Amino acid sequence: ETGVTQSPTHLIKTRGQQVTLRCSSQSGHNTVSWYQQALGQGPQFIFQYYREEENGRGNFPPRFSGLQFPNYSSELNVNALELDDSALYLCASSFTRDRVETQYFGPGTRLLVL
Amino acid sequence: KQEVTQIPAALSVPEGENLVLNCSFTDSAIYNLQWFRQDPGKGLTSLLLIQSSQREQTSGRLNASLDKSSGRSTLYIAASQPGDSATYLCAVLDSSYKLIFGSGTRLLVRP
Repeated sequence: ETGVTQSPTHLIKTRGQQVTLRCSSQSGHNTVSWYQQALGQGPQFIFQYYREEENGRGNFPPRFSGLQFPNYSSELNVNALELDDSALYLCASSFTRDRVETQYFGPGTRLLVL
Repeated sequence: KQEVTQIPAALSVPEGENLVLNCSFTDSAIYNLQWFRQDPGKGLTSLLLIQSSQREQTSGRLNASLDKSSGRSTLYIAASQPGDSATYLCAVLDSSYKLIFGSGTRLLVRP
């Protein structure tokens, strides 16, 4: 158990809909990162939030957006869902952005887009 | 652009064997390298983290090495057990604090 929780655990949506995924960081962690993991692939970095500001973004379109709240919990929002958005979405938290710190991953939300 | 490659993609070994998983990366400008374990349908568990200034880390039956100049890391698992069956992922923390992952090695340890 890493102390990082995600909700919901599973979700089914149809193409064109919007979805919000939630992540609760480990206590004291002020940095959260989101990853998309397609079946059989490694996770791909979506973006990172540090103290409520976006702090780096991967190669994902603007319909992927996020928020980090004052309590450092976080949301990932995806608009205009496409079939290829079907994946496991992972969030990870860390105490700082510092390079010595490992990231602690949540169990993920599995999204299926029909 | 940093790319991480893991070889082999899948591995099946009998219980008790020692085994080596390989990871290579294209850009040596990394802060650290991590090995993770992922069970089917689950999140990631960090196994070992090697800082860029370090050469290896050990935890129990696991030993990971890092050769930053050649862009390579290995994960050595001693005396493998069926409970070690999982996907093992290698990831590097790049200069902008992004974790870049390989596609993983699926390991099956047969009883």
